[in-house]
Amino acid sequence: DVKVTQSSRYLVKRTGEKVFLECVQDMDHENMFWYRQDPGLGLRLIYFSYDVKMKEKGDIPEGYSVSREKKERFSLILESASTNQTSMYLCASSDPRIQGRTEAFFGQGTRLTVV
Amino acid sequence: SQQGEEDPQALSIQEGENATMNCSYKTSINNLQWYRQNSGRGLVHLILIRSNEREKHSGRLRVTLDTSKKSSSLLITASRAADTASYFCALLPKTSYDKVIFGPGTSLSVIP
Repeated sequence: DVKVTQSSRYLVKRTGEKVFLECVQDMDHENMFWYRQDPGLGLRLIYFSYDVKMKEKGDIPEGYSVSREKKERFSLILESASTNQTSMYLCASSDPRIQGRTEAFFGQGTRLTVV
Repeated sequence: SQQGEEDPQALSIQEGENATMNCSYKTSINNLQWYRQNSGRGLVHLILIRSNEREKHSGRLRVTLDTSKKSSSLLITASRAADTASYFCALLPKTSYDKVIFGPGTSLSVIP
C-alpha cells in the first residue's frame, strides 16, 4: 500500500520561530510537492521537487524554503513563522516515469497554527 | 491563472440522487484529474482522464472531458452519505509536465 507520511497532524508555533514540516514517501517517486490549503482558495503549490537536491518554486514560495537530501524525504521550512502562514499543509508525491499518469498521492496533512 | 474552477462551490443532495460537479479551465492540458477530500484529511485520487479521452467510468463515478469547451464534469450516481466530502479537479497543463494545479473545490453534502 502506497504511503505518504507527514510528521505531524497538528502543530502550534510562535511567530518568528523556524518551523520544519517533514514528509516521507515509500513509493520511490521522483516528484514531491508541498501545497497549502486555505478555505476558498483550494490548494496552492508552494514548492516542487523533481529529483534529489532539485527544486522549483510554485505559486507562493515567499517565506518558505525546502530541502530534499534524500529521494524519499521532502522538508518544508518556514524560516520565520508568521500568523498568515497558519494553514493546512499537504505533501504529495507522483511518478512521472509512468507515462500519462502523474496522479498524486497525498499525506494526511499538517494543520499549522502560528500564534 | 492556470487553475481549474469548480462549479458549484457547494452542493447538497438527498441520498440516492446523482451529484454533478463541473470544472472549467483556461489552459491546454495533458490530463485532468479528480480528487476527493474528507474533512481535515489529505486528498485521495479518484480518476484521471487524458486529453484525448472524452469519457471515463470508475464504479459510480463518470467523468467527461470536452477540450473544445475546456470543461470537465464529475457525476456520482446513487449518492451515499459517505460521499460527503470536497471534490477537486486538478489539471496537468501542457506547459508544466509534472506540476498538477488544483481548483478551489466543490463541497458535497449527501443527506441521509
